Amino acid sequence: EAGVVQSPRYKIIEKKQPVAFWCNPISGHNTLYWYRQNLGQGPELLIRYENEEAVDDSQLPKDRFSAERLKGVDSTLKIQPAELGDSAVYLCASSLGPSRGGQQYFGPGTRLTVT
Amino acid sequence: AQSVTQPDIHITVSEGASLELRCNYSYGATPYLFWYVQSPGQGLQLLLKYFSGDTLVQGIKGFEAEFKRSQSSFNLRKPSVHWSDAAEYFCAVAGSGNTGKLIFGQGTTLQVKP
Repeated sequence: EAGVVQSPRYKIIEKKQPVAFWCNPISGHNTLYWYRQNLGQGPELLIRYENEEAVDDSQLPKDRFSAERLKGVDSTLKIQPAELGDSAVYLCASSLGPSRGGQQYFGPGTRLTVT
Repeated sequence: AQSVTQPDIHITVSEGASLELRCNYSYGATPYLFWYVQSPGQGLQLLLKYFSGDTLVQGIKGFEAEFKRSQSSFNLRKPSVHWSDAAEYFCAVAGSGNTGKLIFGQGTTLQVKP
């Protein structure tokens, strides 16, 4: 079984440019998470999807970040315009459902560097 | 507020030595606790989890963790470390409600000396 797939793995952009990250979750996983991991820190949740609905986006900086999950499968996270402070690893995870003890499966992440 | 603290940012142990990584949590009710490992260029992999029952839980790769409610701790242990265990380790607590949200500690980087 394939794991969570993310692309690109690395991205270097100049500030004020747009950038997008793509995630393909494990087949059959209805719940999808985007996390941001700053250097030397643990991941922090940005947004959670149940199927195609964003049910928790309270931590998403909505002035510049947007996300979508069309047809409840793949998801895209976008930043426009990027700022220096957005440099981080963006992780996608998926799970069967939103249960409190449910296991989340993480992708390898996209490392974003904003110059 | 729910939080997780990993007091040790960096730990170095010799190969074959025992390991203990510390984790303290803050949570009002019964916590759901997790340990994840992140190797360079890899996603986070679940080592073990605790919900209830036996306070000593076994995980993959020879790891175990002990839940101590009185100390609000969930320390990770391994009796004999292998060079391949060098990685970053994260402790996490599940947020309240049935959301699946995880709150992570800042992580502990493990270096293994030959």
